Parts: sequence; C-alpha cells; structure tokens
Amino acid sequence: DSGVTQTPKHLITATGQRVTLRCSPRSGDLSVYWYQQSLDQGLQFLIQYYNGEERAKGNILERFSAQQFPDLHSELNLSSLELGDSALYFCASSVDGGATDTQYFGPGTRLTVL
Amino acid sequence: GDSVTQMEGPVTLSEEAFLTINCTYTATGYPSLFWYVQYPGEGLQLLLKATKADDKGSNKGFEATYRKETTSFHLEKGSVQVSDSAVYFCALIKAAGNKLTFGGGTRVLVKP
Repeated sequence: DSGVTQTPKHLITATGQRVTLRCSPRSGDLSVYWYQQSLDQGLQFLIQYYNGEERAKGNILERFSAQQFPDLHSELNLSSLELGDSALYFCASSVDGGATDTQYFGPGTRLTVL
Repeated sequence: GDSVTQMEGPVTLSEEAFLTINCTYTATGYPSLFWYVQYPGEGLQLLLKATKADDKGSNKGFEATYRKETTSFHLEKGSVQVSDSAVYFCALIKAAGNKLTFGGGTRVLVKP
C-alpha cells in the first residue's frame, strides 16, 4: 500500500460524457501527478501540481483539466469523452516534486468509455 | 526529447533462473533512473532507483547500475520466483525535471 488513494476504482461511461477522478496523496506529500496508461500510448505524464499550483504539463488534452485543492487532494476532470480515452489513470505523489524525489503511485482508476 | 527503451517481452523464465531486462535512455544532462514494477491488477510500485552515474540501486534481490557511458540501467535478479511475475518499467526524470518518462514495459512470466 503506497498511501496514495484513488476513487473510483472503475468507471464506465458513454461517449460525450464528463467524469471526475479523485486522488488523495500520501500524508505530507505536497506534489501530485497524473499519468495515463493505455495500450497504444503506454504510460504518459499528464500534469503535475505542487501545493495547489500547476507546475508542469505533459500530453494532456484540452478536454482534460485538473486541480489540487487546499487539503492537497487532486481531481482530474475528463470531458467530451471519446472511445480513445479508455485507459488506466494513475495518480502519484511525492514530497516536494523534485527530480530525485520518489513518486508513489495509487492503484489507478480504470475508465471505460462505451 | 527524452526517451527510454526497454526490451520487449514477454520474457518467460523458470523459477530460480537469472533475469536481465535491458534498459537504455536518451536524455540531456544527468537524469535520475528508476525501475517500477506493476503486479497484475495493481498500481506501480517503485522497485529501485539511482540518481547519479555508477550508483547501484537494489531491492528485493533486484539490482541495476546507472551506466552513464552506455546510457543504460539494466535490471537483474539472480534467482527469480513465481511471485516476480509482473510488468517492469524503466523510467527517468531529468535533472531539474519532475515528470517520469517511462519505457514501454517488459512483461515477465516465471513458471514453477
């Protein structure tokens, strides 16, 4: 158990819909990251937050957005869903977001878009 | 851009066999290097890491040495068990960076 929690574990929805994925970091960690794991793209970095502020952006679509709240939990919002958005979405957290900082991953949310 | 290349699987071994998974990287500067493991139905777990050249990371019988001259970080284990069956990911973070760049993953299957 990494100490990072994600809800829900599974999500099944239809094309065009909007969903919200939630992540609670490990106690004491200030930085949260979101990654997408799909069969065709592999594991890709989406976005990072540090203490409520966006710090880095990766291959995140404009239809996707995220935020980190004052209690440090984070939400990833996916809208106008397409079949290709079906993937495993991981949240990770680290103490301060530095290059040598270990990122601890949650169990993931499996999104299926029908 | 930065990239990580690892051998394609699946790698099928018998119990107590020697395991090597090759990983090479392309990045400017001196990245930190990581191996993560994903067991079936679970998230990613950090297996080991190395933050500078010639560092050796080790954990649970697995080892990997950061080789700057060959830009490699090969994972090895001397005697695998059935419980080592998983997907292994090599990854890097650039110095002054923050995002993990992952390789494609190598599935390992250990048979009794």
